[in-house]
Amino acid sequence: AQKITQTQPGMFVQEKEAVTLDCTYDTSDPSYGLFWYKQPSSGEMIFLIYQGSYDQQNATEGRYSLNFQKARKSANLVISASQLGDSAMYFCAMREGLDSSYKLIFGSGTRLLVRP
Amino acid sequence: NAGVTQTPKFRVLKTGQSMTLLCAQDMNHEYMYWYRQDPGMGLRLIHYSVGEGTTAKGEVPDGYNVSRLKKQNFLLGLESAAPSQTSVYFCASSLRPSGSSYNEQFFGPGTRLTVL
Repeated sequence: AQKITQTQPGMFVQEKEAVTLDCTYDTSDPSYGLFWYKQPSSGEMIFLIYQGSYDQQNATEGRYSLNFQKARKSANLVISASQLGDSAMYFCAMREGLDSSYKLIFGSGTRLLVRP
Repeated sequence: NAGVTQTPKFRVLKTGQSMTLLCAQDMNHEYMYWYRQDPGMGLRLIHYSVGEGTTAKGEVPDGYNVSRLKKQNFLLGLESAAPSQTSVYFCASSLRPSGSSYNEQFFGPGTRLTVL
């Protein structure tokens, strides 16, 4: 079974509007972390935001916020006021606390295209 | 502070040839990882290291070997390249996650490998 599911292969958004990228996860580990990375066409992986399983509040970083619904096992990324430079692949990833490797398990990604 | 660097950026191999990918980080990170990224998929872990002189297998280790003789370097070797190893390879590093510090993984720019 997939541990990280991103059901939107591609999305469009109008410049200056908000967009939500979906991510659901599956784990039995009570301690885990959820990450979002951005991969522009140049290929590098850029860390955006983190949410810990014990965090009481949703994480925010500038125009990025994470809509964390623990009971639903979802960690959706919200980008407010989209910019043309937000066009990229976005990956949701999970790190399980009981796994001593601390590896990241990635979803298949969502390609976001911002229209002018 | 260069962060995580990878050498080479591009490489074309013939089936059966061998090569080594070099990853270097200057952030004094304990943990280092090698991932591969295939079209339509997220990154998958090949091997990882939790410290100098230690390595362990990840999700897709077959056909690869690694070594970490120095804390700042993590080498990925392909002894006999196969077309199925055509992929983009990413190296990443992080501090050991602890307590409230999430210590995200920092990624290198990637190596695009084609095996003919």
